[in-house]
Amino acid sequence: GAVVSQHPSRVICKSGTSVKIECRSLDFQATTMFWYRQFPKQSLMLMATSNEGSKATYEQGVEKDKFLINHASLTLSTLTVTSAHPEDSSFYICSAPGGGTYGYTFGSGTRLTVV
Amino acid sequence: LAKTTQPISMDSYEGQEVNITCSHNNIATNDYITWYQQFPSQGPRFIIQGYKTKVTNEVASLFIPADRKSSTLSLPRVSLSDTAVYYCLVGDVFSGGYNKLIFGAGTRLAVHP
Repeated sequence: GAVVSQHPSRVICKSGTSVKIECRSLDFQATTMFWYRQFPKQSLMLMATSNEGSKATYEQGVEKDKFLINHASLTLSTLTVTSAHPEDSSFYICSAPGGGTYGYTFGSGTRLTVV
Repeated sequence: LAKTTQPISMDSYEGQEVNITCSHNNIATNDYITWYQQFPSQGPRFIIQGYKTKVTNEVASLFIPADRKSSTLSLPRVSLSDTAVYYCLVGDVFSGGYNKLIFGAGTRLAVHP
């Protein structure tokens, strides 16, 4: 079946540094990628939608300068958390529609811890 | 986007059948109903999708009444490994515009020995 490969699975960074998370669609093209954030015991919150070759669309309340999204190819979308702070610590998940199923395929998630 | 309502949590025992009902009173004509399963520290996994009546696959069944204002995910003979959060989502997945998925709170299922 369709796979979205997400890396890294875990990352610990110091406050003030930047972290890049990559999501690659394997065996299918993802012209659209959705980025979510999930805090412990909570549901997934949509952060932004990235489209290949164009600017990302951010949900209300999400700082576009802090969460940089790049979707430079049909198989790769990246999320960069800039100047990370402890409150950015969360589980980040990407998702792409299609890929041979009627649903959306999700990445395995990235656990970001900012110390 | 149609809003969904599910029970926050459910408990069951191994070998039992579990039915999780989702309400979606404002479902639109073009909307499909999709269920996802999520284990801790993993991304959601597609379980089943349907438009009306009944859909069955190797892991679950989905029952949708004629008015489509609700749906029931049925997990036969659950095991401990079915302990997870289950999300019901409603949306038009074939519009070509790839509607964004908005997750509700989900149902936290705990299966006990």
